[in-house]
Amino acid sequence: GESVGLHLPTLSVQEGDNSIINCAYSNSASDYFIWYKQESGKGPQFIIDIRSNMDKRQGQRVTVLLNKTVKHLSLQIAATQPGDSAVYFCAEKGGNTGKLIFGQGTTLQVKP
Amino acid sequence: GAGVSQTPSNKVTEKGKYVELRCDPISGHTALYWYRQSLGQGPEFLIYFQGTGAADDSGLPNDRFFAVRPEGSVSTLKIQRTERGDSAVYLCASSSPGQGSEAFFGQGTRLTVV
Repeated sequence: GESVGLHLPTLSVQEGDNSIINCAYSNSASDYFIWYKQESGKGPQFIIDIRSNMDKRQGQRVTVLLNKTVKHLSLQIAATQPGDSAVYFCAEKGGNTGKLIFGQGTTLQVKP
Repeated sequence: GAGVSQTPSNKVTEKGKYVELRCDPISGHTALYWYRQSLGQGPEFLIYFQGTGAADDSGLPNDRFFAVRPEGSVSTLKIQRTERGDSAVYLCASSSPGQGSEAFFGQGTRLTVV
């Protein structure tokens, strides 16, 4: 099964299910978006990125979808594993500035 | 080293004291960022260096916060007259030049002001 919806602070899924984590970004001028995974006591770890001229990008077990019309980003994780348990953040970058603006995090809990 | 290194990993200081947090970026990365992360929140941008210069310091909360990167490599974040509200994890990241370059984060320094 899948879990889809508006941004949720916590998402709980069964091992092996697909997960969908949603994010709303703020700046329509942003042209680069990144998903990060953060485990307890560690810094954010890059998962996948997408430029604003794309609406979908796939990686290994992960897919990012970008909807610029409604300023929405989602991360899909296929066959979720216990090692995927972490907090997930979306981030946006725009223009010539180097700074990343992070969204609200979603805690993904994977039940064995 | 292979990744971004931050020292110390933990720092406890008394209110009013001065602290310095160090970041060693990945070798060759010209861009360096400082972020602050409070419990349960996403990282909040503080300052961005391109080489030795601060390209964007709009995130520094007030003039008690200052950062330097004198030789374009190691950076130090300095906080004067620390307050309890400064308690957070301070994260450093570095990246290669270019808009789409991935930023690699260190493990952070957990600062506690008592």
